[in-house]
Amino acid sequence: EDKVVQSPLSLVVHEGDTVTLNCSYEVTNFRSLLWYKQEKKAPTFLFMLTSSGIEKKSGRLSSILDKKELFSILNITATQTGDSAIYLCAVVEYGGSQGNLIFGKGTKLSVKP
Amino acid sequence: SQTIHQWPATLVQPVGSPLSLECTVEGTSNPNLYWYRQAAGRGLQLLFYSVGIGQISSEVPQNLSASRPQDRQFILSSKKLLLSDSGFYLCAWKRQVNTEAFFGQGTRLTVV
Repeated sequence: EDKVVQSPLSLVVHEGDTVTLNCSYEVTNFRSLLWYKQEKKAPTFLFMLTSSGIEKKSGRLSSILDKKELFSILNITATQTGDSAIYLCAVVEYGGSQGNLIFGKGTKLSVKP
Repeated sequence: SQTIHQWPATLVQPVGSPLSLECTVEGTSNPNLYWYRQAAGRGLQLLFYSVGIGQISSEVPQNLSASRPQDRQFILSSKKLLLSDSGFYLCAWKRQVNTEAFFGQGTRLTVV
């Protein structure tokens, strides 16, 4: 059973649209949630969230965590073709495999001009 | 600044042949090191992690092994590859348990 579930699995939008990517999790001892962007090879780090309700923002991207409802969202405003990528959500548990990231399957975002 | 190197970028190997993928980290000491595999339609799956030289923990029983001969070097190996070993292999490092992970560029392995 998947501990981290992302939705939708894929999404096609046009430039300028705003998108919301979802990540829900079910782990015993939650420590943190991380978002990554994967274009072709290496996932690149976007955000790490540990506290509920505190929005993290970087340019047109923002993310927030709800530890009560066990989910996080990643928002991208005014999307550009360069935002096309797979967005990965991962959770870190206390204990476990020394900080191992438990990943969801990702959301594939395609931004059309 | 810290960088992570992973090679080779692509590899095509016949079934039954050995494998050695290498990962090195620069600009930090005593990192936590990880090997992940990414298969189509599945999330990244942890294969091995290491908290120090010679310390290897395996998450998934399989045809692979890992070694950490030096502080910033992590090697993924196999004595005999299977078709099911094909996939995209990523090395990652973390400064501490609760910090972000940084990934190498990955190795696309195709076993034929």
